[in-house]
Amino acid sequence: GQNIDQPTEMTATEGAIVQINCTYQTSGFNGLFWYQQHAGEAPTFLSYNVLDGLEEKGRFSSFLSRSKGYSYLLLKELQMKDSASYLCAVSTINSGYALNFGKGTSLLVTP
Amino acid sequence: GAVVSQHPSWVICKSGTSVKIECRSLDFQATTMFWYRQFPKQSLMLMATSNEGSKATYEQGVEKDKFLINHASLTLSTLTVTSAHPEDSSFYICSAREPGALYEKLFFGSGTQLSVL
Repeated sequence: GQNIDQPTEMTATEGAIVQINCTYQTSGFNGLFWYQQHAGEAPTFLSYNVLDGLEEKGRFSSFLSRSKGYSYLLLKELQMKDSASYLCAVSTINSGYALNFGKGTSLLVTP
Repeated sequence: GAVVSQHPSWVICKSGTSVKIECRSLDFQATTMFWYRQFPKQSLMLMATSNEGSKATYEQGVEKDKFLINHASLTLSTLTVTSAHPEDSSFYICSAREPGALYEKLFFGSGTQLSVL
């Protein structure tokens, strides 16, 4: 099985930077995804890491350390619309494109 | 870009009835689609992998006879919740990827909120 842990809730201020951590334990690791999900809507893709290091995409960056089973999603210049749930998901060699998700981190951005 | 369409968006039904949810890939052919379930404030849990032209692969604990999956064509997979009960009330969502595409080209449907009375 796979254990994927991330904080349940976080609060940050508009314009600030927030880091959402994710740790995982799995065999046959084949990539880590971050998705954003607003309530009652489909998840939308944010990032994908398969190699160690930092991937930057505009205001969003994602980091991966395979040896530590650790990833984080960094959101810069927070906007009110960034209030959402952020899902960490892992793909394994056996699972292919069937992802295993963490429970998600609910981020609240305040004025 | 590739889009996955899911229908209906929400459904309310009486206990004991069956509900069919459709998942379509609109501009690509999907040999494999995935069905997830999400309870309030919980994450997405994989229910089954739908394979075109063959039987679905179910995750442990998911009843095959209750959640019927049919993937009769390369663009359509259906999930039928048979004899639905209140505990089946949940958000059901599908995903699909165009074969050969990058990992980031894994798209989700808009989800179906099922409420069983």
